[in-house]
Amino acid sequence: ILNVEQSPQSLHVQEGDSTNFTCSFPSSNFYALHWYRWETAKSPEALFVMTLNGDEKKKGRISATLNTKEGYSYLYIKGSQPEDSATYLCAFPPRGSARQLTFGSGTQLTVLP
Amino acid sequence: DSGVTQTPKHLITATGQRVTLRCSPRSGDLSVYWYQQSLDQGLQFLIQYYNGEERAKGNILERFSAQQFPDLHSELNLSSLELGDSALYFCASSGGTSGATDTQYFGPGTRLTVL
Repeated sequence: ILNVEQSPQSLHVQEGDSTNFTCSFPSSNFYALHWYRWETAKSPEALFVMTLNGDEKKKGRISATLNTKEGYSYLYIKGSQPEDSATYLCAFPPRGSARQLTFGSGTQLTVLP
Repeated sequence: DSGVTQTPKHLITATGQRVTLRCSPRSGDLSVYWYQQSLDQGLQFLIQYYNGEERAKGNILERFSAQQFPDLHSELNLSSLELGDSALYFCASSGGTSGATDTQYFGPGTRLTVL
């Protein structure tokens, strides 16, 4: 993997369902992995910055895990609510740079009431 | 509200023109980042400044330039505008020097339309 890849591209779930999506990144020269939430007509909002292998972070019903050895991070949402509908982006420094972020194309989540 | 402000919110101009986008970072943040979000592309990093100095450069065109002033606000100058420059331009700020490990706080964006 040369860049950040996110899957699935989009996801529709029912209110109350739990869901998760994946961010894959190059496992060599790891610095950090960022998760952002981007609601329509708003600006990206930082959720987590993860730096250590095995890291697990939580914010309310949203949590994330990190595996730097295999190059993936999972974002989980427990008991999805309509207000969770947004695009979830992960970002990672590109190869050879520790000062900038390359963003994935995101997972667009729609929570149906 | 992230604390990052951007002006103007919308900008409509013609090809060949020059525009300036302005960003004020969160109070106390020394780093400013500029990103471009085009229709078919994800967020693309353009450039980072830290305390007035350029720190990192991404896919920024030669027609584009930026600077950060002593009061830490930043301006992104786009010249000889083309239709393809139409995009949402975000500014973000952080308290550290590393784009890789610092949380970045995004402003509301400036939507540029080139006709």
